[in-house]
Amino acid sequence: EPEVTQTPSHQVTQMGQEVILRCVPISNHLYFYWYRQILGQKVEFLVSFYNNEISEKSEIFDDQFSVERPDGSNFTLKIRSTKLEDSAMYFCASSQSSYNEQFFGPGTRLTVL
Amino acid sequence: KQEVTQIPAALSVPEGENLVLNCSFTDSAIYNLQWFRQDPGKGLTSLLLIQSSQREQTSGRLNASLDKSSGRSTLYIAASQPGDSATYLCAVIFNTDKLIFGTGTRLQVFP
Repeated sequence: EPEVTQTPSHQVTQMGQEVILRCVPISNHLYFYWYRQILGQKVEFLVSFYNNEISEKSEIFDDQFSVERPDGSNFTLKIRSTKLEDSAMYFCASSQSSYNEQFFGPGTRLTVL
Repeated sequence: KQEVTQIPAALSVPEGENLVLNCSFTDSAIYNLQWFRQDPGKGLTSLLLIQSSQREQTSGRLNASLDKSSGRSTLYIAASQPGDSATYLCAVIFNTDKLIFGTGTRLQVFP
């Protein structure tokens, strides 16, 4: 059964460093999302992406964040200068169409020291 | 503000019991509602999706209902098993294509 994959599973970085989190969505899906979950808190929406453009972004998704679909399979989230408060589990999701069922990857645990 | 609330926050039941998890949302104008399962430190597994035009969906021992007018959904788990132990998340798509999540119900089923 097709699934969303994410790499790495765990990333440790120093404050101020750039990180890139990678996702491979389900192959026939067209809509892509990033969410994050700070330990013990709700899962929060970061950004949605369709047709090589950001569809919507939350207040969390400031200028330090960017997303890209560099080729036909990968979808990346970049944090330019990480802060301690960026430590969280980051989930990628994809969907065949908008307002439809979203399928999530296993997540990348980001730890900023 | 569009919010999703889940009660109870935690539930512990003996194996074999039927149980109900509750989800409420503040705005009845929803597109759909999705139930997820999350194991500790793991990703989110989609269990059921209910479209706004539907009243319920079933998958195996799981049944989810939706009452838009009262802003509620329930997830019914029949004949619970220890393997059902996990956190169950309710998430709603309101007027834009993003999921708004509840805080979850942490379920423990003991033998």
